[in-house]
Amino acid sequence: DTGVSQNPRHKITKRGQNVTFRCDPISEHNRLYWYRQTLGQGPEFLTYFQNEAQLEKSRLLSDRFSAERPKGSFSTLEIQRTEQGDSAMYLCASSSGLAGEPSTDTQYFGPGTRLTVL
Amino acid sequence: GNSVTQMEGPVTLSEEAFLTINCTYTATGYPSLFWYVQYPGEGLQLLLKATKADDKGSNKGFEATYRKETTSFHLEKGSVQVSDSAVYFCALSDQRTGGFKTIFGAGTRLFVKA
Repeated sequence: DTGVSQNPRHKITKRGQNVTFRCDPISEHNRLYWYRQTLGQGPEFLTYFQNEAQLEKSRLLSDRFSAERPKGSFSTLEIQRTEQGDSAMYLCASSSGLAGEPSTDTQYFGPGTRLTVL
Repeated sequence: GNSVTQMEGPVTLSEEAFLTINCTYTATGYPSLFWYVQYPGEGLQLLLKATKADDKGSNKGFEATYRKETTSFHLEKGSVQVSDSAVYFCALSDQRTGGFKTIFGAGTRLFVKA
């Protein structure tokens, strides 16, 4: 069990560019979450996958954002035409699904990808 | 909708002092409640949780009791250490009324002085 990993750890980009982040969950965890965290705030939910199915998306996830989990293992989060307001820490978490309902699951967080849009 | 409100920080305490960080929630159903901690330079990690009313979660000397009557889940520790300095987040999740999302409070930063 090596924990949740995220790459890159830091990304600096210019406004209007596209960026893609990767999350590798704990192996065999079938539940995967993306969050966004800005300075001084708690994480805000973006989207949830159960295996390869994207079951919920927040209204924060505008049409410039897309997330995939093609084989039910790693996931990618892409932001197109980045804006300065997209600057934040993007967090990925996974959980095993063994606890039953997602509400009771323990989520394990990765270290995050810090995005800076200039 | 569901929401979480926690006390603003920073909270500054001397070592061995008693800690309380208040957390109240609004929910239409029966959520699970969590405290997460973020130590400097590290990722978020679960500190404790409670999944039904009157449950007490505990870990590393920290405790929190799920109080449905007051919609609260206050975090307490009897004697804090310098190593407890971190940001603490209260959170809730309720699939039946709130979907798959976990809702976090804004976080409370704790500084413990030696």
